Amino acid sequence: DIQMTQSPSSLSASVGDRVTITCRASQSISNYLNWYQQKPGKAPKLLIFAASSLRSGVPSRFSGSGSGTDFTLTISSLQYEDFASYYCQQTYSSQSHTFGPGTKVDIK
Amino acid sequence: EVQLVQSGAEVKKPGESLKISCKGSGYRFTNYWIGWVRQMPGKGLEWMGIIYPGDSETRYSPSFEGQVTISADKSISTVYLQWSSLKASDTAIYYCARQGDYVPNDYDIWGQGTMVTVSS
Repeated sequence: DIQMTQSPSSLSASVGDRVTITCRASQSISNYLNWYQQKPGKAPKLLIFAASSLRSGVPSRFSGSGSGTDFTLTISSLQYEDFASYYCQQTYSSQSHTFGPGTKVDIK
Repeated sequence: EVQLVQSGAEVKKPGESLKISCKGSGYRFTNYWIGWVRQMPGKGLEWMGIIYPGDSETRYSPSFEGQVTISADKSISTVYLQWSSLKASDTAIYYCARQGDYVPNDYDIWGQGTMVTVSS
Protein backbone atom coordinates (compact mmCIF):
# COMPACT_ATOMS: atom_id res chain seq x y z
CA ASP A 1 0.00 0.00 0.00
CA ILE A 2 1.28 3.47 -0.89
CA GLN A 3 1.16 5.83 2.09
CA MET A 4 0.84 9.59 1.69
CA THR A 5 1.95 12.20 4.18
CA GLN A 6 1.40 15.96 4.15
CA SER A 7 3.01 18.82 6.00
CA PRO A 8 2.10 20.89 7.74
CA SER A 9 -1.17 19.47 9.07
CA SER A 10 -2.38 23.03 9.56
CA LEU A 11 -1.15 26.54 9.02
CA SER A 12 -2.26 30.08 9.70
CA ALA A 13 -1.64 32.68 7.04
CA SER A 14 -2.72 36.15 5.98
CA VAL A 15 -4.30 37.31 2.76
CA GLY A 16 -1.53 37.91 0.27
CA ASP A 17 0.87 35.37 1.79
CA ARG A 18 2.64 32.74 -0.27
CA VAL A 19 1.67 29.30 1.03
CA THR A 20 3.40 25.99 0.32
CA ILE A 21 2.07 22.57 1.26
CA THR A 22 4.19 19.45 0.91
CA CYS A 23 3.05 15.92 0.10
CA ARG A 24 5.27 12.84 0.21
CA ALA A 25 4.61 9.32 -1.08
CA SER A 26 6.05 6.19 0.52
CA GLN A 27 7.32 5.06 -2.90
CA SER A 28 7.75 6.62 -6.29
CA ILE A 29 4.45 7.52 -7.95
CA SER A 30 5.87 9.35 -10.98
CA ASN A 31 3.46 12.25 -11.54
CA TYR A 32 0.29 10.39 -10.48
CA LEU A 33 -0.53 13.06 -7.91
CA ASN A 34 -3.60 15.25 -7.59
CA TRP A 35 -4.49 18.13 -5.29
CA TYR A 36 -8.00 18.88 -4.01
CA GLN A 37 -9.50 21.76 -2.07
CA GLN A 38 -12.34 21.18 0.37
CA LYS A 39 -14.37 23.84 2.14
CA PRO A 40 -16.52 23.05 5.19
CA GLY A 41 -19.73 21.25 4.27
CA LYS A 42 -18.74 20.92 0.62
CA ALA A 43 -17.43 18.18 -1.61
CA PRO A 44 -13.74 18.25 -2.57
CA LYS A 45 -12.80 20.11 -5.72
CA LEU A 46 -9.97 19.13 -8.07
CA LEU A 47 -7.30 21.85 -8.37
CA ILE A 48 -4.19 20.21 -9.84
CA PHE A 49 -3.84 16.92 -11.70
CA ALA A 50 -0.77 15.02 -12.88
CA ALA A 51 1.28 16.84 -10.22
CA SER A 52 1.53 20.16 -12.05
CA SER A 53 -1.40 20.61 -14.45
CA LEU A 54 -3.88 23.30 -13.45
CA ARG A 55 -7.49 22.29 -13.91
CA SER A 56 -9.46 24.57 -16.20
CA GLY A 57 -11.16 27.34 -14.24
CA VAL A 58 -8.80 27.16 -11.25
CA PRO A 59 -7.03 30.47 -10.54
CA SER A 60 -3.43 30.68 -11.70
CA ARG A 61 -2.23 31.51 -8.17
CA PHE A 62 -2.41 27.75 -7.57
CA SER A 63 0.49 25.67 -8.83
CA GLY A 64 1.86 22.20 -8.29
CA SER A 65 5.26 20.67 -8.73
CA GLY A 66 7.21 17.51 -8.04
CA SER A 67 7.71 13.99 -9.28
CA GLY A 68 8.63 10.65 -7.77
CA THR A 69 7.99 10.92 -4.04
CA ASP A 70 7.98 14.64 -3.22
CA PHE A 71 5.36 17.15 -4.30
CA THR A 72 4.29 20.68 -3.44
CA LEU A 73 1.18 22.78 -3.80
CA THR A 74 1.82 26.52 -3.81
CA ILE A 75 -0.66 29.35 -3.51
CA SER A 76 1.24 32.42 -4.67
CA SER A 77 -0.96 35.04 -3.01
CA LEU A 78 -3.56 33.71 -0.60
CA GLN A 79 -7.08 35.02 -1.05
CA TYR A 80 -10.01 34.86 1.38
CA GLU A 81 -11.70 32.15 -0.66
CA ASP A 82 -8.59 29.93 -0.34
CA PHE A 83 -9.07 29.28 3.35
CA ALA A 84 -9.93 25.59 3.25
CA SER A 85 -8.43 22.12 3.62
CA TYR A 86 -6.14 20.71 0.95
CA TYR A 87 -5.56 17.04 0.17
CA CYS A 88 -3.09 15.29 -2.09
CA GLN A 89 -4.00 11.95 -3.68
CA GLN A 90 -1.98 9.33 -5.53
CA THR A 91 -3.53 7.34 -8.36
CA TYR A 92 -0.38 5.36 -9.23
CA SER A 93 -1.55 2.20 -7.49
CA SER A 94 -4.55 0.60 -9.20
CA GLN A 95 -5.48 -1.04 -5.89
CA SER A 96 -5.88 2.07 -3.81
CA HIS A 97 -5.97 5.76 -4.67
CA THR A 98 -4.79 6.98 -1.28
CA PHE A 99 -5.31 10.51 -0.01
CA GLY A 100 -2.92 12.40 2.22
CA PRO A 101 -4.17 13.36 5.71
CA GLY A 102 -4.89 16.93 4.66
CA THR A 103 -3.67 20.44 5.45
CA LYS A 104 -6.02 23.00 6.93
CA VAL A 105 -5.29 26.61 5.96
CA ASP A 106 -6.90 29.20 8.20
CA ILE A 107 -6.73 32.92 8.78
CA LYS A 108 -3.97 34.30 10.98
CA GLU B 1 -24.08 19.60 -17.36
CA VAL B 2 -21.93 16.74 -16.11
CA GLN B 3 -22.98 15.84 -12.59
CA LEU B 4 -23.25 13.15 -9.96
CA VAL B 5 -26.29 13.32 -7.69
CA GLN B 6 -26.30 11.26 -4.52
CA SER B 7 -29.19 9.97 -2.45
CA GLY B 8 -30.24 11.74 0.72
CA ALA B 9 -29.08 11.52 4.32
CA GLU B 10 -29.74 8.31 6.23
CA VAL B 11 -30.17 7.56 9.93
CA LYS B 12 -29.84 3.89 10.80
CA LYS B 13 -29.37 1.61 13.80
CA PRO B 14 -26.37 -0.67 14.29
CA GLY B 15 -26.89 -3.99 12.54
CA GLU B 16 -29.19 -2.57 9.87
CA SER B 17 -28.45 -2.73 6.17
CA LEU B 18 -28.15 0.25 3.84
CA LYS B 19 -27.66 1.03 0.17
CA ILE B 20 -26.87 4.57 -0.99
CA SER B 21 -26.76 5.71 -4.58
CA CYS B 22 -24.95 8.01 -6.98
CA LYS B 23 -26.57 8.88 -10.34
CA GLY B 24 -24.54 10.26 -13.19
CA SER B 25 -25.80 12.50 -15.97
CA GLY B 26 -24.49 14.66 -18.75
CA TYR B 27 -21.87 12.18 -19.97
CA ARG B 28 -21.49 8.57 -21.20
CA PHE B 29 -21.91 6.89 -17.82
CA THR B 30 -20.55 3.48 -18.85
CA ASN B 31 -17.18 4.89 -19.97
CA TYR B 32 -15.95 6.33 -16.67
CA TRP B 33 -14.89 4.72 -13.41
CA ILE B 34 -16.74 5.94 -10.30
CA GLY B 35 -15.11 5.86 -6.88
CA TRP B 36 -16.41 6.13 -3.33
CA VAL B 37 -14.71 8.21 -0.63
CA ARG B 38 -15.43 8.25 3.09
CA GLN B 39 -15.05 11.25 5.37
CA MET B 40 -15.63 10.56 9.04
CA PRO B 41 -16.69 13.51 11.23
CA GLY B 42 -13.90 16.08 11.39
CA LYS B 43 -11.49 13.79 9.56
CA GLY B 44 -9.83 13.47 6.17
CA LEU B 45 -10.71 11.71 2.95
CA GLU B 46 -10.41 7.92 2.63
CA TRP B 47 -10.60 6.15 -0.73
CA MET B 48 -12.87 3.11 -0.47
CA GLY B 49 -13.03 1.59 -3.93
CA ILE B 50 -14.00 2.09 -7.53
CA ILE B 51 -16.27 0.53 -10.17
CA TYR B 52 -16.42 0.64 -13.96
CA PRO B 53 -20.14 0.75 -14.79
CA GLY B 54 -19.55 -0.59 -18.29
CA ASP B 55 -18.72 -4.09 -17.03
CA SER B 56 -19.00 -3.67 -13.22
CA GLU B 57 -15.29 -4.39 -12.67
CA THR B 58 -14.69 -3.36 -9.07
CA ARG B 59 -11.59 -2.71 -6.97
CA TYR B 60 -11.59 -2.18 -3.21
CA SER B 61 -9.13 -0.58 -0.87
CA PRO B 62 -7.74 -3.27 1.45
CA SER B 63 -9.18 -1.23 4.35
CA PHE B 64 -12.72 -1.59 3.02
CA GLU B 65 -12.66 -4.99 1.28
CA GLY B 66 -15.34 -7.18 2.85
CA GLN B 67 -16.86 -4.25 4.74
CA VAL B 68 -18.89 -2.73 1.90
CA THR B 69 -20.14 -3.68 -1.55
CA ILE B 70 -19.94 -1.42 -4.59
CA SER B 71 -22.27 -2.15 -7.50
CA ALA B 72 -23.70 -0.47 -10.57
CA ASP B 73 -26.85 -0.46 -12.68
CA LYS B 74 -25.82 0.98 -16.00
CA SER B 75 -29.40 0.96 -17.29
CA ILE B 76 -30.18 3.81 -14.90
CA SER B 77 -26.68 5.35 -14.74
CA THR B 78 -26.38 4.64 -11.02
CA VAL B 79 -23.66 3.33 -8.76
CA TYR B 80 -24.32 2.02 -5.26
CA LEU B 81 -22.50 1.59 -1.97
CA GLN B 82 -24.01 -0.86 0.47
CA TRP B 83 -23.57 -2.30 3.91
CA SER B 84 -25.10 -5.54 5.20
CA SER B 85 -24.65 -4.71 8.88
CA LEU B 86 -23.88 -1.15 9.87
CA LYS B 87 -21.68 -0.16 12.81
CA ALA B 88 -21.52 3.12 14.67
CA SER B 89 -18.08 3.62 13.13
CA ASP B 90 -19.71 3.78 9.68
CA THR B 91 -21.06 7.21 10.60
CA ALA B 92 -19.57 9.51 7.96
CA ILE B 93 -20.19 11.47 4.80
CA TYR B 94 -19.78 9.34 1.69
CA TYR B 95 -18.87 10.92 -1.63
CA CYS B 96 -18.92 9.42 -5.08
CA ALA B 97 -16.53 10.85 -7.63
CA ARG B 98 -15.90 10.30 -11.33
CA GLN B 99 -12.42 9.31 -12.41
CA GLY B 100 -11.30 11.40 -15.36
CA ASP B 101 -10.41 9.73 -18.63
CA TYR B 102 -6.81 10.87 -18.95
CA VAL B 103 -3.77 9.18 -17.43
CA PRO B 104 -2.60 9.98 -14.77
CA ASN B 105 -6.14 9.69 -13.45
CA ASP B 106 -7.87 12.24 -11.29
CA TYR B 107 -11.36 12.62 -9.82
CA ASP B 108 -12.88 15.51 -11.69
CA ILE B 109 -16.58 15.41 -10.80
CA TRP B 110 -17.89 14.82 -7.27
CA GLY B 111 -21.32 14.14 -5.85
CA GLN B 112 -22.67 16.35 -3.10
CA GLY B 113 -22.13 13.69 -0.44
CA THR B 114 -24.48 11.46 1.56
CA MET B 115 -24.44 11.72 5.35
CA VAL B 116 -24.90 8.36 7.04
CA THR B 117 -25.55 8.34 10.78
CA VAL B 118 -25.53 5.04 12.64
CA SER B 119 -26.78 5.29 16.20
CA SER B 120 -28.83 3.24 18.61
